[in-house]
Amino acid sequence: EDQVTQSPEALRLQEGESSSLNCSYTVSGLRGLFWYRQDPGKGPEFLFTLYSAGEEKEKERLKATLTKKESFLHITAPKPEDSATYLCAVQGLGSNYKLTFGKGTLLTVNP
Amino acid sequence: NAGVTQTPKFQVLKTGQSMTLQCAQDMNHNSMYWYRQDPGMGLRLIYYSASEGTTDKGEVPNGYNVSRLNKREFSLRLESAAPSQTSVYFCASSASTDTQYFGPGTRLTVL
Repeated sequence: EDQVTQSPEALRLQEGESSSLNCSYTVSGLRGLFWYRQDPGKGPEFLFTLYSAGEEKEKERLKATLTKKESFLHITAPKPEDSATYLCAVQGLGSNYKLTFGKGTLLTVNP
Repeated sequence: NAGVTQTPKFQVLKTGQSMTLQCAQDMNHNSMYWYRQDPGMGLRLIYYSASEGTTDKGEVPNGYNVSRLNKREFSLRLESAAPSQTSVYFCASSASTDTQYFGPGTRLTVL
């Protein structure tokens, strides 16, 4: 059974204070790892898909990286508008359509 | 493009009542999904439709039925609502087995 664990559960940063969120996973063959951002009262918004170890993707202040056991979402010089819950999900090779989600990391960036 | 739309946004039901949640996408995606999101738990897949004319059970299908009306629309029906079905329901769509795009959600309370 695919499993995803995200840490920390909550993270509070000062504006400009860089940090990383962790997503550890177990899956029997990785088809893809997905990062989403979710604002309160809204649906998850797609950020990145990573397919293989060593892959990296960037978007503005966010960079996602992938190893064989975990993924990191690095946030560089965050701003208050980066405050949200960040969700990680994996899709195994045996799960054509099913995504297994972690519980998320609630990020708060204070001005 | 509106992406994925869901109706209604909010709903309050009494135990035993029935209702249908509607979902539509305008991205010409083949696959559509229904998830529920509960506090302290990750998003869990209820049902999915890999393509028009097919539906399959996800992780938590009990108490729900679905209909893939056409390529654009995928509905979720609660025949006899129970308090345990109080949740936020998200519809999503994808081109195939790849990235899923989510709607804004329906917040359902069953009294």
